[in-house]
Amino acid sequence: DAKTTQPNSMESNEEEPVHLPCNHSTISGTDYIHWYRQLPSQGPEYVIHGLTSNVNNRMASLAIAEDRKSSTLILHRATLRDAAVYYCILRDYFGNEKLTFGTGTRLTIIP
Amino acid sequence: EAQVTQNPRYLITVTGKKLTVTCSQNMNHEYMSWYRQDPGLGLRQIYYSMNVEVTDKGDVPEGYKVSRKEKRNFPLILESPSPNQTSLYFCASSFRAGASTGELFFGEGSRLTVL
Repeated sequence: DAKTTQPNSMESNEEEPVHLPCNHSTISGTDYIHWYRQLPSQGPEYVIHGLTSNVNNRMASLAIAEDRKSSTLILHRATLRDAAVYYCILRDYFGNEKLTFGTGTRLTIIP
Repeated sequence: EAQVTQNPRYLITVTGKKLTVTCSQNMNHEYMSWYRQDPGLGLRQIYYSMNVEVTDKGDVPEGYKVSRKEKRNFPLILESPSPNQTSLYFCASSFRAGASTGELFFGEGSRLTVL
């Protein structure tokens, strides 16, 4: 199974950008990089995903290293509502769907 | 509204009493999966299903069964629950990974306590 590693926790000040790293050194060429977040007392929710190129959506940006062995989720201006656990996972285009979430990064936003 | 619905949301039961947690999605997704979440252990996959009648084990399948007789439903069965199955359970669904939109949609969770 393709695995990812993330820091256990991070802190950021409100209204500042946040860069959440993820290492996936064993990524294969057909793995998509997905990010999810879990707000307190809720199920995880999708944030963003990408394959090779950097991606932007209304929630965040995803920066993917050229060798694809790491990626960074960027929250451009953190708010208190962004405090959550963020998970980075790999999803195989061709369908090995044994997905491993791990423990994620707990993001604390300081007012 | 697109959603994944789990029932029950909360359940307290006793050791050995069979129970089923239902999961239903209304998005015509091929892929469905069950996870359990425990403090300090993150989300761990129990079982997943690539389509009707196709299921496979995740990382922690012991003590659980699943079935996928219809595309929309993916029930999780605990034939003889034990206290170590006390946990928060999440069901998720999506189109196949190779689809243009492959994001997972999660249910709100089912908190199960086995006494």
